[in-house]
Amino acid sequence: AQSVSQHNHHVILSEAASLELGCNYSYGGTVNLFWYVQYPGQHLQLLLKYFSGDPLVKGIKGFEAEFIKSKFSFNLRKPSVQWSDTAEYFCAVNPPRSGGYNKLIFGAGTRLAVHP
Amino acid sequence: DVKVTQSSRYLVKRTGEKVFLECVQDMDHENMFWYRQDPGLGLRLIYFSYDVKMKEKGDIPEGYSVSREKKERFSLILESASTNQTSMYLCASSSGTGVIYGYTFGSGTRLTVV
Repeated sequence: AQSVSQHNHHVILSEAASLELGCNYSYGGTVNLFWYVQYPGQHLQLLLKYFSGDPLVKGIKGFEAEFIKSKFSFNLRKPSVQWSDTAEYFCAVNPPRSGGYNKLIFGAGTRLAVHP
Repeated sequence: DVKVTQSSRYLVKRTGEKVFLECVQDMDHENMFWYRQDPGLGLRLIYFSYDVKMKEKGDIPEGYSVSREKKERFSLILESASTNQTSMYLCASSSGTGVIYGYTFGSGTRLTVV
């Protein structure tokens, strides 16, 4: 079945460590890619998105993601995490042939805990 | 800012009850969505609507129905609640002109079926 896979379900880091969260998708054709974040007790918020052009996308709060078409991947990175980055992170794909309905398919999420 | 408001933050219902979850958005968005969020499973699409009175099944529609009588309101209905429907339910909306703006999510309704 076509899907979105996030490799790590739980990640624990110390402050100032570098972060990379993996995301792979199995849809062929042109896809639109997103990362969302859910801070404890808050609603999901958009971190960044990729549609076309430069495969290295910069988002809010120092996050970036790289689209590698040949690997069907869209990994999220941050050079130096902070305690306030503790949250759950979701990768999402707008599959091709969605009929223009803007449907998003989400991965299972990665819980990140950053220790001071 | 676009706001998506879900009427209840927490709900406890009994098995077999008919349950209504309400969602209202205030930015004239064409598309509205209902997801359920479960640990280890992420968000799974239940139903979505791209216009008033229009609806499409998502990936897990069984046991659910929806209603969209007005553009701003999208209701999720559990016809006969069961314990396996205990979950966090998230409503989202987006502009019909493109997914480039992503979704705006509500705060969620945590439903417990006992």
